[in-house]
Amino acid sequence: DVKVTQSSRYLVKRTGEKVFLECVQDMDHENMFWYRQDPGLGLRLIYFSYDVKMKEKGDIPEGYSVSREKKERFSLILESASTNQTSMYLCASSSPGYGYTFGSGTRLTVV
Amino acid sequence: DAKTTQPPSMDCAEGRAANLPCNHSTISGNEYVYWYRQIHSQGPQYIIHGLKNNETNEMASLIITEDRKSSTLILPHATLRDTAVYYCIVRIAYGQNFVFGPGTRLSVLP
Repeated sequence: DVKVTQSSRYLVKRTGEKVFLECVQDMDHENMFWYRQDPGLGLRLIYFSYDVKMKEKGDIPEGYSVSREKKERFSLILESASTNQTSMYLCASSSPGYGYTFGSGTRLTVV
Repeated sequence: DAKTTQPPSMDCAEGRAANLPCNHSTISGNEYVYWYRQIHSQGPQYIIHGLKNNETNEMASLIITEDRKSSTLILPHATLRDTAVYYCIVRIAYGQNFVFGPGTRLSVLP
C-alpha cells in the first residue's frame, strides 16, 4: 500500500515562527499536494507539485511556500506563522490518472 | 471540473445498505466520478471511481446512471466504522487536483 507520512500529528507554534511541515511518500508518485481543512470551509488546496523542483499555486497560497527537492518529499513552509493559519494540514500524493492517497494530517495550532 | 451536489447528511442503520447519492449534471465525457471518505481527524481515504460502467471493489459499489448525470455509492452492509463524511468528486483522469465539496456526513446508527 502507498504510504504518505506527515512528520507530526500535532504541532503548537508561536506567532511569527517559521514552521516546516514535512510529507514523504513511498510509491514514486509524481504529484504531491498540500491542503488545509477548516470547519465549514472544507479542504482547500494550498500548493501542489507535479515534479521535482516544480510547484504550482493552489487556491490559497498566501502566507505559504513549498519545497520539493526530492520526488518523495514535499514540504510546506509557513514563513511567519499567524493565528489564522491554525488548521488541519493534509498532504496527498498521486500518479497521473489515479486517485489521491492522503496522509493522516497535521493539526497545527499557532498561539 | 464539474460541480457535484450531495445531501449534507444521512443516517443508516448498522448492517443495512447505505446509499449515498451524488448529482453531477454538468459532467463532461472525459470526467470520472471519484468517491472519498474522511473519518473524523484522519485524512480522506479513496473508495472507488468510475467513468460510465458500474464498479465494485471490496469497500463499495458505484452505480452511475446511463446519462452520467448522477451516481450512487453503495456500502452494502454499513458498520459503525463507516460513519464519516463522504465526498463525491468529478475530475478528468489527468487533472491536476481534486476539488472537495462539503460532502455527505453519514451516521451509521446501532
